[in-house]
Amino acid sequence: ILNVEQSPQSLHVQEGDSTNFTCSFPSSNFYALHWYRWETAKSPEALFVMTLNGDEKKKGRISATLNTKEGYSYLYIKGSQPEDSATYLCASTESQGNLIFGKGTKLSVKP
Amino acid sequence: KAGVTQTPRYLIKTRGQQVTLSCSPISGHRSVSWYQQTPGQGLQFLFEYFSETQRNKGNFPGRFSGRQFSNSRSEMNVSTLELGDSALYLCASSLGQWGTGELFFGEGSRLTVL
Repeated sequence: ILNVEQSPQSLHVQEGDSTNFTCSFPSSNFYALHWYRWETAKSPEALFVMTLNGDEKKKGRISATLNTKEGYSYLYIKGSQPEDSATYLCASTESQGNLIFGKGTKLSVKP
Repeated sequence: KAGVTQTPRYLIKTRGQQVTLSCSPISGHRSVSWYQQTPGQGLQFLFEYFSETQRNKGNFPGRFSGRQFSNSRSEMNVSTLELGDSALYLCASSLGQWGTGELFFGEGSRLTVL
């Protein structure tokens, strides 16, 4: 059974700061890595799905990298805005089909 | 394009009862998956259905079951409810192959077991 860990658990930054979070996962049986953004009172929203070692994906000010050999992924937010405040979840799919979520990093961006 | 629709949004049950939750996926999505969100455990994968067959499964007891209909709508059933089953239940639909496709989540059904 996979154990997906995210750090930090929570983060408070000022508007304009750049920040990053870490997701670590067992590299054995790895199949895919997902990042989701979950705002309060809304549904989780997909940011990225990555499968290949060295993958880098970008959506606006948000980008992510993947290292499947060492079992980690980074999510970066450049120039944080108050609307970026949310919980950021990562999830790893193992080759046998189970999908394991981390407990998330809660980001608060102060104006 | 309509999103993922879950019903009911809120419900209250008592211990020992059973509950059925419904999920209508985005049109054209054939994969529907279910999740349980609790404060202590976070978001946990229950199971995934594709073409009316359970294709992938998490680590939940047999009291949790589901099914999918020919129109891709899915239901999840929890029998013999326990207090610990109180949670937000999310479903998600997906176009692509399981594990590599983006999941589109509904707003959830919040179950309270008294």
